[in-house]
Amino acid sequence: NAGVTQTPKFQVLKTGQSMTLQCAQDMNHNSMYWYRQDPGMGLRLIYYSASEGTTDKGEVPNGYNVSRLNKREFSLRLESAAPSQTSVYFCALGRTGVLTFGAGSRLTVL
Amino acid sequence: AQRVTQPEKLLSVFKGAPVELKCNYSYSGSPELFWYVQYSRQRLQLLLRHISRESIKGFTADLNKGETSFHLKKPFAQEEDSAMYYCALSPMDTGRRALTFGSGTRLQVQP
Repeated sequence: NAGVTQTPKFQVLKTGQSMTLQCAQDMNHNSMYWYRQDPGMGLRLIYYSASEGTTDKGEVPNGYNVSRLNKREFSLRLESAAPSQTSVYFCALGRTGVLTFGAGSRLTVL
Repeated sequence: AQRVTQPEKLLSVFKGAPVELKCNYSYSGSPELFWYVQYSRQRLQLLLRHISRESIKGFTADLNKGETSFHLKKPFAQEEDSAMYYCALSPMDTGRRALTFGSGTRLQVQP
């Protein structure tokens, strides 16, 4: 019972490259979220999904796309990475503010 | 739109001293407030929520709607309390319940 699994844990990209961060859950939650964590700025919501097939923008969605094709998985895609997207990315799931977080994916864009 | 402010980036205290981590919020509707904690090399996890009115690991927090605050308190800090603490808000009166986090306060408890 892994709860929330994020892959990869670490990634280094060059500016302009693309990549997808994967998040999978075995907790049967409808709501899933992607946050980014930056020093001095806390966690900021990128996108969230209230249920399979639906997604909504959060506070900082520019430069990202998401996909929720089934209940278990919620992926975050960077189409053309920029140095400003260097961050730690967290997937989370749950509802009414009680969230379970993944271990995080540390992304560096050179 | 909602906003959560944690004015201190770093709070350093000695073991046994009282701790108060400040959190102020702005939201025109009805909020639910939370404290999350991230210990070194561990996942972010829920510490407490104002609705539960619990004390977790000796920490308490009271929602003060007049001052729009939700400060986290502990009477006697322990070294194992050293961590990053985030205050967060979820609107109770809309369908959009995603959490808004503050910028976080790092608590260092020195021996």
